[in-house]
Amino acid sequence: AQSVTQPDIHITVSEGASLELRCNYSYGATPYLFWYVQSPGQGLQLLLKYFSGDTLVQGIKGFEAEFKRSQSSFNLRKPSVHWSDAAEYFCAVGAGSDSWGKLQFGAGTQVVVTP
Amino acid sequence: GAGVSQSPSNKVTEKGKDVELRCDPISGHTALYWYRQRLGQGLEFLIYFQGNSAPDKSGLPSDRFSAERTGESVSTLTIQRTQQEDSAVYLCASSRRDRLTDTQYFGPGTRLTVL
Repeated sequence: AQSVTQPDIHITVSEGASLELRCNYSYGATPYLFWYVQSPGQGLQLLLKYFSGDTLVQGIKGFEAEFKRSQSSFNLRKPSVHWSDAAEYFCAVGAGSDSWGKLQFGAGTQVVVTP
Repeated sequence: GAGVSQSPSNKVTEKGKDVELRCDPISGHTALYWYRQRLGQGLEFLIYFQGNSAPDKSGLPSDRFSAERTGESVSTLTIQRTQQEDSAVYLCASSRRDRLTDTQYFGPGTRLTVL
C-alpha cells in the first residue's frame, strides 16, 4: 500500500522568500503524485501533478515540483512567496494509471507568510 | 455554479443523532468521492461512486456510515448514531471519470461537530 509523509507540519516564510515543502512517498512502482492547496474557507485546489516524463513539473500560481525516484520525494517549490500563498498544502499519491482515482494524502503542511 | 457544492457548510449535532451530508458534483462528472479530514490530519478516503454504484467502500469507518448517489448526480453521506470521534470536515470531490489522470475537484466541505 502506498503512503505519503510530509515531515513539516508548519513552516513560516517571509514574503518574497523562497519556499520548499517536502513530500516523501512509499510505493513500489512509479506513483502518480499530486500537490493540493487548501486556503481558509476554500476547497482543495490542484496545484500540479506528475504522471510520467519530465521530472520537473510546473503548476499554477508559480509553483513547481520535482520527482526524484532515488529519494522517493516530490518536493514543492516556489521561488518567491506572496502573502496569498498562506494556506495548507497536501501531497497525495495514487496507485497507478489503471487504478481508479483513490488518493492517499499526507497530513499537510501549514504555511504562514510574514510581511 | 460550476464547482462542487456541499451542504450544510456546518452541522452541530448531539451524540447519538443521525446526520445527512449532501454533495452536488460538477455536472457531467461520473466519479464522486467522499473524504474525511480530522483536525490536524490529512484527508482520509471513505467511499467513491462511479455513476450510481460504489465499487469501493473500504474507507467507511463503521456500519454507522453509509452513502448513496442517485441520478449520477447528488450524493448523500449518512452517519447514524453519531459519536464524538465523527467530528471532522467531510469533503466531497468529483472527476470526469474514475481515473487518476482525471483531476478531482473538491467542494468546500461540511464541518461536523458532535457534542
